[in-house]
Amino acid sequence: AQSVAQPEDQVNVAEGNPLTVKCTYSVSGNPYLFWYVQYPNRGLQFLLKYITGDNLVKGSYGFEAEFNKSQTSFHLKKPSALVSDSALYFCAVRAPWGNKLVFGAGTILRVKS
Amino acid sequence: DTEVTQTPKHLVMGMTNKKSLKCEQHMGHRAMYWYKQKAKKPPELMFVYSYEKLSINESVPSRFSPECPNSSLLNLHLHALQPEDSALYLCASSPKQGANTEAFFGQGTRLTVV
Repeated sequence: AQSVAQPEDQVNVAEGNPLTVKCTYSVSGNPYLFWYVQYPNRGLQFLLKYITGDNLVKGSYGFEAEFNKSQTSFHLKKPSALVSDSALYFCAVRAPWGNKLVFGAGTILRVKS
Repeated sequence: DTEVTQTPKHLVMGMTNKKSLKCEQHMGHRAMYWYKQKAKKPPELMFVYSYEKLSINESVPSRFSPECPNSSLLNLHLHALQPEDSALYLCASSPKQGANTEAFFGQGTRLTVV
């Protein structure tokens, strides 16, 4: 069975500083990995995904993520945080043979001006 | 059109009521999903429809009854709910089941059971 861990409940960053939101996964075979963002009382918005190929994936709103197979990680990064990036971030994994998207517990990102 | 539209946005219902949540997408996606999300928790999968047929039921109580009338619509019929069923209900779609593509989520229906 696949699983995702987001070890930090909350990440605090000053505006303009780089940010990292951590994610590790467990799945048999090559994973499909996703990052979503959720603003209060809203649905999930897709940010980026890793399926295959280049380990550095670029996504929406200046976000990027690096797939590291040896460390089974898929950390979300952004070079310069904005206050408007403050939200709840979910990492998710889908096994290549399955349809079920499994989410991590989520990480609250707070960017302070 | 890259949207998944859910109605209503908010719903308050009594424990003896019957209500329905609706979800619509016009992206030609053939997989549609219902998720339940409690506050500050990850979404929990409830049902998956693939080509208008129910393919996954995550042991959801029978007071929740999904329906997929056609490839664009997904309903969730609610009956005799409990207060603990209060949550954000999210609909999502993807091109097909098992595809390596992202799911598109609607804005959700905030359900309160009184």
